[in-house]
Amino acid sequence: LAKTTQPISMDSYEGQEVNITCSHNNIATNDYITWYQQFPSQGPRFIIQGYKTKVTNEVASLFIPADRKSSTLSLPRVSLSDTAVYYCLGGPGTASKLTFGTGTRLQVTL
Amino acid sequence: EPEVTQTPSHQVTQMGQEVILRCVPISNHLYFYWYRQILGQKVEFLVSFYNNEISEKSEIFDDQFSVERPDGSNFTLKIRSTKLEDSAMYFCASRNRGADNQPQHFGDGTRLSIL
Repeated sequence: LAKTTQPISMDSYEGQEVNITCSHNNIATNDYITWYQQFPSQGPRFIIQGYKTKVTNEVASLFIPADRKSSTLSLPRVSLSDTAVYYCLGGPGTASKLTFGTGTRLQVTL
Repeated sequence: EPEVTQTPSHQVTQMGQEVILRCVPISNHLYFYWYRQILGQKVEFLVSFYNNEISEKSEIFDDQFSVERPDGSNFTLKIRSTKLEDSAMYFCASRNRGADNQPQHFGDGTRLSIL
């Protein structure tokens, strides 16, 4: 499993774009990068997953450079409700167990 | 959007008692998982289940734990003789069949408090 490193915490104002970068230097050829979001007292919620280049959905964008040693989750125009912990996971898809780190605690304020 | 549902949302149990946590995975999903999160700590994998058998389990999932899919809709986690350190949030997840990058979908958990 790819070991991932991400900032412990980030702060943002409402309406700003937030970019959370995750490094995964030992990512394997068949590993995907998956991001989950967790609110207090709730289960992790799948946000986005990618293998390389850029992936976009209605919630976020994921940028993975060609060397795949890092990735950036981009949240456009965050709101107070985006305050949560964001986890970057690397591994051979999501068929097997997910290994969560401590994540990045995003605090959005007015 | 279909979701994983877990019951009860909060379970309080005396130490040494048996507890069963229940999950209804998303209906067409075939892979099932249990995770736990002790307060303030990481989400930890417990066990995965496919085709009516355990596919993988962690060191945490010792003989006190068991899982079962008693019918076509429920997936349960049983802890035989609870200990204080079993107090945690327990999350069930399920995943569809298909490519390896099908995401796991989590329920909102059962908060287990052992007294």
